[in-house]
Amino acid sequence: GAGVSQTPSNKVTEKGKYVELRCDPISGHTALYWYRQSLGQGPEFLIYFQGTGAADDSGLPNDRFFAVRPEGSVSTLKIQRTERGDSAVYLCASSLNGGDQETQYFGPGTRLLVL
Amino acid sequence: GENVEQHPSTLSVQEGDSAVIKCTYSDSASNYFPWYKQELGKGPQLIIDIRSNVGEKKDQRIAVTLNKTAKHFSLHITETQPEDSAVYFCAALNTNAGKSTFGDGTTLTVKP
Repeated sequence: GAGVSQTPSNKVTEKGKYVELRCDPISGHTALYWYRQSLGQGPEFLIYFQGTGAADDSGLPNDRFFAVRPEGSVSTLKIQRTERGDSAVYLCASSLNGGDQETQYFGPGTRLLVL
Repeated sequence: GENVEQHPSTLSVQEGDSAVIKCTYSDSASNYFPWYKQELGKGPQLIIDIRSNVGEKKDQRIAVTLNKTAKHFSLHITETQPEDSAVYFCAALNTNAGKSTFGDGTTLTVKP
């Protein structure tokens, strides 16, 4: 069985550009999470989906960040007008249904570098 | 919100020795405490977890203890091996809320 996959694995962009990062969760997992990990730090929560809806988006740093999960499976994290401070590894995780089935399985991450 | 502190930030042990990593949390509503191992270039992988109704859990060479009163939990690795070298993260989660708060990680080096 495939794990969580993320594409691209690496992304280099210029300041001010728009980027999209994709996450394919484990098949059948209804809960999906996005985290951002800066060098030397633990993952920092961004947003949590239960099905198609964002159950908690309190970790999104500002309105340049947006995420969607239109069919309750694949999710896309979108960053507008990228800034150098957005450079980090963006991690996606999924779990069976959140709540008590809370074991989260992480993907390998997308390494974003904003020049 | 939740705040998780983890220490030490780096830990070096000799192969065969034990390693202990400690975390504290602030939110008494947190009820689930996973530990992750992260190798270079990979995402975190769950190695063991404990729920708030349990004080200790063991899985082969790895054990976790939880003290709810003091709001701290620890990871214990016995008989360490070079392949245990990685960054380890603790996390705290309220399963009714969904989001995890992570510590800043411990870089464990096991010297052969």
